[in-house]
Amino acid sequence: AQSVTQLGSHVSVSEGALVLLRCNYSSSVPPYLFWYVQYPNQGLQLLLKYTSAATLVKGINGFEAEFKKSETSFHLTKPSAHMSDAAEYFCAVSVGKLIFGQGTELSVKP
Amino acid sequence: DAGVIQSPRHEVTEMGQEVTLRCKPISGHNSLFWYRQTMMRGLELLIYFNNNVPIDDSGMPEDRFSAKMPNASFSTLKIQPSEPRDSAVYFCASSSESGLGSTGELFFGEGSRLTVL
Repeated sequence: AQSVTQLGSHVSVSEGALVLLRCNYSSSVPPYLFWYVQYPNQGLQLLLKYTSAATLVKGINGFEAEFKKSETSFHLTKPSAHMSDAAEYFCAVSVGKLIFGQGTELSVKP
Repeated sequence: DAGVIQSPRHEVTEMGQEVTLRCKPISGHNSLFWYRQTMMRGLELLIYFNNNVPIDDSGMPEDRFSAKMPNASFSTLKIQPSEPRDSAVYFCASSSESGLGSTGELFFGEGSRLTVL
């Protein structure tokens, strides 16, 4: 069965530090992969998506993710965290059905 | 442009009462999805519609839950009778694609927070 696993339910970084949120997927066929962000009391919104074009995908707000088939990973990164990045981040895989990971809450310390 | 609109934003009810959650998708979108979010289970897809027709309701927890989409601009999720374990945030999302967001993007509403006492 297709699924995603997000490593770490909570990540805390200092403002200006690198953000790294980890996601591994399991899929028997090439997947479509997504990162969504959820700000407090809001719905989810798409950050970026991988649909088998370039393996390095750039999204909104300076985030990017790299698809690594050999590692079955799709980690999300941002070179420099901003206070406004504090939110919950969801990795999702779609092979006919969009399945979300459990989410990683990102805290940014001043 | 208006996004996905859900109502009510918050609902507090007593066990046994009927609850109806409403959703207006983005105009022109032909797929609509109902998700439930809880701390324990994360985001779960309950049901999705394509062109107003229910395609997959395998995520609906039990017969107490029902969903309808009478036209392209309106959907309801009903729980009757409600139970405390139904307490969650219920999200509606829409998409311009016919599949389950396979290559496209889901647009989420702000959610309806349900508390069943």
